[in-house]
Amino acid sequence: KAGVTQTPRYLIKTRGQQVTLSCSPISGHRSVSWYQQTPGQGLQFLFEYFSETQRNKGNFPGRFSGRQFSNSRSEMNVSTLELGDSALYLCASSLLVNTGELFFGEGSRLTVL
Amino acid sequence: DQQVKQNSPSLSVQEGRISILNCDYTNSMFDYFLWYKKYPAEGPTFLISISSIKDKNEDGRFTVFLNKSAKHLSLHIVPSQPGDSAVYFCAASAKAGKSTFGDGTTLTVKP
Repeated sequence: KAGVTQTPRYLIKTRGQQVTLSCSPISGHRSVSWYQQTPGQGLQFLFEYFSETQRNKGNFPGRFSGRQFSNSRSEMNVSTLELGDSALYLCASSLLVNTGELFFGEGSRLTVL
Repeated sequence: DQQVKQNSPSLSVQEGRISILNCDYTNSMFDYFLWYKKYPAEGPTFLISISSIKDKNEDGRFTVFLNKSAKHLSLHIVPSQPGDSAVYFCAASAKAGKSTFGDGTTLTVKP
């Protein structure tokens, strides 16, 4: 069974640009969550989608947005990038809503210059 | 307000000894707790979980203890092996809610 796939794995952007990250969950998983990991900050919750609907949202500014498609694939977008957005962005899928084990992808490492 | 706290950023133990990683939480609505392990350049992987109706769950060398009155959980690894060296994240969730993670504890097991 294929795991959670995130693309791209690494990317470099400059301040003011926008970026789109993609996540393909495990086949059959309908819940997708996004987390931001920065050094010493743990995993900060961004948002969770289930059946194309956003169910939960973390405390991030409106520059951070996401969506989920009918095939459960998800994308997140960050507009007007800031230096502080440099982080590892992790996508996780689960069979049901976010109440149990999460299966994480390897992450997308974003560097903002 | 950080609802899940791992107060020890790092822990070093000798191979064969016990590793104890601790986690505290503040939200009394949390009813499901999980531990994840993360190696560099990889995403976190699920290790073990415990429901609030239990106070202990065991899986091989890994045991999680939950003390609801103290809002504290711990992960015991016995015996510790060098391959256990990784960052360990504690996570908690309430019914139908998102998982909230701690900042992680870096475990180093020395041969």
